[in-house]
Amino acid sequence: QVQLVESGGGVVEPGRSLRLSCAASGFTFSSFSMDWVRQAPGKGLEWVAVISYNGISTFYADSVKGRFTISRDNSKNTLYLQMSSLRGEDTAVYYCARDGADDYNFDYWGQGTPVIVSS
Amino acid sequence: DIQMTQSPSSLSASVGDRVTITCRASHSIRNYLNWYQQKPGKAPNLLIYGASSLQGGVSSRFSGSGSGTDFTLVINSLQPEDLATYYCQQSYVIPLTFGGGTKVEIK
Repeated sequence: QVQLVESGGGVVEPGRSLRLSCAASGFTFSSFSMDWVRQAPGKGLEWVAVISYNGISTFYADSVKGRFTISRDNSKNTLYLQMSSLRGEDTAVYYCARDGADDYNFDYWGQGTPVIVSS
Repeated sequence: DIQMTQSPSSLSASVGDRVTITCRASHSIRNYLNWYQQKPGKAPNLLIYGASSLQGGVSSRFSGSGSGTDFTLVINSLQPEDLATYYCQQSYVIPLTFGGGTKVEIK
């Protein structure tokens, strides 16, 4: 069965960096585009970034553009989110999600990893 | 960016009731509209894609309709396990955007 397991979250000071990982299994990882979606405490869902199945194309929300980088290693079935220049407003649970076939909906989600940006 | 507006933001209904949640897009998104259910403390779960297609494994009590800018999620015969927040999401254009959510409580 499809499994997405995030890791790498934690407490980090403003201005520092953090890298999240998402280990995928149960499907052909290299055939699907993948996303990061976040949810601030008590708030709604916010899409963060998407990467194409082959890693060639990436797109970002304006709120993270220039600070976050999405990448993938298809040989390791792993998705990454490199976050730099972190701000308090980046505090959230970060979910990785798989895109459905031929559409940017999210048909499978990980359990999420919390990121707290605080001094 | 396309803004997604959900209403109501919360509702309370009884077991067995029919519940309707609406989602409006600021521009036409054709049928590129998806609905998610998020139970407390859990990751979201895809319910409906393409405005009206039921995701595999999802109860047939859930249905979606609409196109263009106006969409509806209906929960027939509300059950206790439907306690959750429901989100719409447009997949027509990047940046992908979500509605603010509708919290469904059971009376």
